[in-house]
Amino acid sequence: DTAVSQTPKYLVTQMGNDKSIKCEQNLGHDTMYWYKQDSKKFLKIMFSYNNKELIINETVPNRFSPKSPDKAHLNLHINSLELGDSAVYFCASSRSGGRAQETQYFGPGTRLLVL
Amino acid sequence: KQEVTQIPAALSVPEGENLVLNCSFTDSAIYNLQWFRQDPGKGLTSLLLIQSSQREQTSGRLNASLDKSSGRSTLYIAASQPGDSATYLCAVYGSSNTGKLIFGQGTTLQVKP
Repeated sequence: DTAVSQTPKYLVTQMGNDKSIKCEQNLGHDTMYWYKQDSKKFLKIMFSYNNKELIINETVPNRFSPKSPDKAHLNLHINSLELGDSAVYFCASSRSGGRAQETQYFGPGTRLLVL
Repeated sequence: KQEVTQIPAALSVPEGENLVLNCSFTDSAIYNLQWFRQDPGKGLTSLLLIQSSQREQTSGRLNASLDKSSGRSTLYIAASQPGDSATYLCAVYGSSNTGKLIFGQGTTLQVKP
């Protein structure tokens, strides 16, 4: 049973395209996150949602738009893809209010390559 | 601004050795610290979470310590095995009580049989 799943696992696309990455968790958690891991393996938080409400919104281009249809899903839509968007995108979840006491559980990642 | 640094960036040891991975952070006003493991092409697996009021946590052959005042944490791996080969990431929760994790760049460990 996969706790946090992401689709697709790999995504290769052309500059200027619009693409979406989906994330689902079956842990019953209330908070979900998106992280970006760049080519230097540096992981940085992008967004987090608690019960469909945005609670963390780091400084990312507005071409990135998260959407949470329900608390078990957090999707990431990227408009007008650029070469610099190539990275591994990780989804994560935690049990309740996104507080610092909680362990975060990560998905397997989506490897995005923009050509 | 909180920054997390991990030293060394890479480490290669023979099987059976005990080893220590280091993590330092610039702002001692952290809530908690978490150690993760990342296998190539895979996601992150949480190993240990140390509350800010704790000094260490243990899980099997792993022991993590936290010294907030000096801005340091160490991950001790006893009797290393080839299956321990992975990248180990340290992350701190910032001073605001949110789930915002700030990561170091990791230490890539290779344990040779």
